[in-house]
Amino acid sequence: GQNIDQPTEMTATEGAIVQINCTYQTSGFNGLFWYQQHAGEAPTFLSYNVLDGLEEKGRFSSFLSRSKGYSYLLLKELQMKDSASYLCAVKAAGNKLTFGGGTRVLVKP
Amino acid sequence: GAVVSQHPSRVICKSGTSVKIECRSLDFQATTMFWYRQFPKQSLMLMATSNEGSKATYEQGVEKDKFLINHASLTLSTLTVTSAHPEDSSFYICSASRGGDTSTDTQYFGPGTRLTVL
Repeated sequence: GQNIDQPTEMTATEGAIVQINCTYQTSGFNGLFWYQQHAGEAPTFLSYNVLDGLEEKGRFSSFLSRSKGYSYLLLKELQMKDSASYLCAVKAAGNKLTFGGGTRVLVKP
Repeated sequence: GAVVSQHPSRVICKSGTSVKIECRSLDFQATTMFWYRQFPKQSLMLMATSNEGSKATYEQGVEKDKFLINHASLTLSTLTVTSAHPEDSSFYICSASRGGDTSTDTQYFGPGTRLTVL
């Protein structure tokens, strides 16, 4: 089966850094995605990791360790607009995505 | 590129009626489309996978006779919720992918449809 775990909620201050962890146990692995989702809206793509290591894209970075079944999303220089849910998703066989429960990030002034 | 639209964005219907939701890939051909359901404060749950021209593959626990999926062309898939009940009220999101090499293929999400069944 598929199991993806991430914290339910995190709170951070504007300008700070927050790291959202994701651990997974899946049958098959074709990459790990991070999405941002604001309330009532569809997810928007943030990052994709298929090889071990760190992918940096502006204020957002994502890390993957396949041997540990572990990823994190790092948000730097937090802004109020970053308050949203962040979804970790693993692509297994057949291009199917399995989503974690999502982490609600609240950025406070 | 890679824009996916959904229609309608919101729909309210009476219990027992059927509702059709359309998902379109606007600037690419989508060999595969996925339908997800999301309840409040929960994550996305895959309902079914549909490939153009063939029957959809439903996830365990999803009733195929209640959630009818049609993927008749490379740019359009529809989800029909038949005999809707209040417990079907949810946020329905589709995604589309070009297909091919699954290791590099990306799913592009539509904006979602909020269904409320009274």
